[in-house]
Amino acid sequence: AQSVAQPEDQVNVAEGNPLTVKCTYSVSGNPYLFWYVQYPNRGLQFLLKYITGDNLVKGSYGFEAEFNKSQTSFHLKKPSALVSDSALYFCAVRDLRAGNMLTFGGGTRLMVKP
Amino acid sequence: DAGVIQSPRHEVTEMGQEVTLRCKPISGHDYLFWYRQTMMRGLELLIYFNNNVPIDDSGMPEDRFSAKMPNALFSTLKIQPSEPRDSAVYFCASSSSRGAEAFFGQGTRLTVV
Repeated sequence: AQSVAQPEDQVNVAEGNPLTVKCTYSVSGNPYLFWYVQYPNRGLQFLLKYITGDNLVKGSYGFEAEFNKSQTSFHLKKPSALVSDSALYFCAVRDLRAGNMLTFGGGTRLMVKP
Repeated sequence: DAGVIQSPRHEVTEMGQEVTLRCKPISGHDYLFWYRQTMMRGLELLIYFNNNVPIDDSGMPEDRFSAKMPNALFSTLKIQPSEPRDSAVYFCASSSSRGAEAFFGQGTRLTVV
């Protein structure tokens, strides 16, 4: 069975500082990995994905994520955080050879303070 | 495309009543997912469909929950009878097998009193 772990319930960072939101995964085959963001009272918005190729993927709003196969991780990063980045972030995995189910982690709340 | 459309946005109902949540996926998408979000349990996958066929419904909490997808344009999630512990935000999402990422609707906030 596939699974996703986000070890931090909350990440606090000062505006202008770099941020990292951690994610590790477990799948039987080759993973498709995703990051989503959720603002209050809204649905989840797609940020970026890794399917194949370059381990560093770039997405919306200046976010990027690094795929590390040996560590089974897919951490979300941004060089300089904005207060408006404060939201709930979800990591997700999909194994196209195992039914194509889309499984989410528990979410990490990012708080960026001015 | 208008994206994934869910209705209603908010639903307040009394315990024991039947509740039906609706979802219109993005045209051309062949996967549809139903999720439930609560503070306690986070985002849970309830059921998902491929080409209108249910693939995995192991996340459906009880027999009170049922989901259908009569065609590629429409899906419903029904709770009968509803209970206060069903109160949550229910999301529908769709994707194509080529694109891989799923797109979410705005959700239905269900309150059972």
